[in-house]
Amino acid sequence: AQSVTQLGSHVSVSEGALVLLRCNYSSSVPPYLFWYVQYPNQGLQLLLKYTSAATLVKGINGFEAEFKKSETSFHLTKPSAHMSDAAEYFCAVSDAGANSKLTFGKGITLSVRP
Amino acid sequence: EAGVAQSPRYKIIEKRQSVAFWCNPISGHATLYWYQQILGQGPKLLIQFQNNGVVDDSQLPKDRFSAERLKGVDSTLKIQPAKLEDSAVYLCASSPRLAGYNEQFFGPGTRLTVL
Repeated sequence: AQSVTQLGSHVSVSEGALVLLRCNYSSSVPPYLFWYVQYPNQGLQLLLKYTSAATLVKGINGFEAEFKKSETSFHLTKPSAHMSDAAEYFCAVSDAGANSKLTFGKGITLSVRP
Repeated sequence: EAGVAQSPRYKIIEKRQSVAFWCNPISGHATLYWYQQILGQGPKLLIQFQNNGVVDDSQLPKDRFSAERLKGVDSTLKIQPAKLEDSAVYLCASSPRLAGYNEQFFGPGTRLTVL
């Protein structure tokens, strides 16, 4: 069975500071990994995904994530936070099976201070 | 391109009442998902359809929840009777085909409050 661990429930950074949101996964097979963002009263939107090509994945809005198999991690980073980045962020994993499903972490709320 | 549509956006009911949610996926998307998102948690898959067939409903509480996807397009999710613990946001998502690498496109969700 697959699982995702997102430590902590809330991260607060100053505008312009580095954003680092951690995600560790557990999977018995090579995984596909995703980061989704959810703004208040909206559905989830894909930020980026890892599908076994390049280990450093670039996404929308300046975010990127690096797949590290040895650490079973897929941490999300952004060099400089913007006020509009305040939202909830979910890491998710699916396996390479034909009918695989997404398993989500519990999410991390990002706050950005002026 | 129109996104995933869901209705209603909000619903308040008394426990033991029934409720239904509707989802219209992105045109041409074969795979449709219903998720339950309880406050403070990540979405949990309830049921997954490929066209009008069920692929996975292992986490659907079948004694009270049911879902259908007639003609492989729109879908409805029903709860009967509702319990207090069913209070959550119900998200519908769709993807072009059944494969783990595919992005899922999410609707805005229906926020259910059970009193």
